[in-house]
Amino acid sequence: QKEVEQDPGPLSVPEGAIVSLNCTYSNSAFQYFMWYRQYSRKGPELLMYTYSSGNKEDGRFTAQVDKSSKYISLFIRDSQPSDSATYLCATSYNQGGKLIFGQGTELSVKP
Amino acid sequence: NAGVMQNPRHLVRRRGQEARLRCSPMKGHSHVYWYRQLPEEGLKFMVYLQKENIIDESGMPKERFSAEFPKEGPSILRIQQVVRGDSAAYFCASSPGSGSRIWETQYFGPGTRLLVL
Repeated sequence: QKEVEQDPGPLSVPEGAIVSLNCTYSNSAFQYFMWYRQYSRKGPELLMYTYSSGNKEDGRFTAQVDKSSKYISLFIRDSQPSDSATYLCATSYNQGGKLIFGQGTELSVKP
Repeated sequence: NAGVMQNPRHLVRRRGQEARLRCSPMKGHSHVYWYRQLPEEGLKFMVYLQKENIIDESGMPKERFSAEFPKEGPSILRIQQVVRGDSAAYFCASSPGSGSRIWETQYFGPGTRLLVL
């Protein structure tokens, strides 16, 4: 069983739609949860991170962590074509050290 | 402030040759991480280094792969006697390594795409 599971998609939505991206994880020891965005042929860039359970909002992006169900979500409001990319969820045991990534979900936002 | 730099961006090797991938962390960062991304797969952790010290190499294959981060100069990921299965994108990330208890963002470089013929 993979430590972090993520549906690879692809996911295609019209411009302006609300996008929901999700991951599940298996190890309750994970404490830090991140979402990275990766454009084609580029390196990942951090979108958001959260510590433990709860919500975090940044502009059009909202990250949610539910530790009781081991579920991580990213919501994108008013999606734009420029949001088209692969979105990777990641977790970590502590504030330093290795990140464990999901497979990534490929998102396409159509104008 | 330049970001994480990796070179070469593309590397072609024949089976049995050596591949050397270089990573220069962001200015002021003392921690370096290497990840590998195989086609249709997510990023997989390989190794975590500080200057002159390997902190965690739990993701490194036991043979042919080695990494270093010397006191001066870039971090090097070295793959000896490459095989076709080594073809992948290799990403380096860096973090400040300030020693504080706050969470530290890992900033990724653009990657080196290795193709083994």
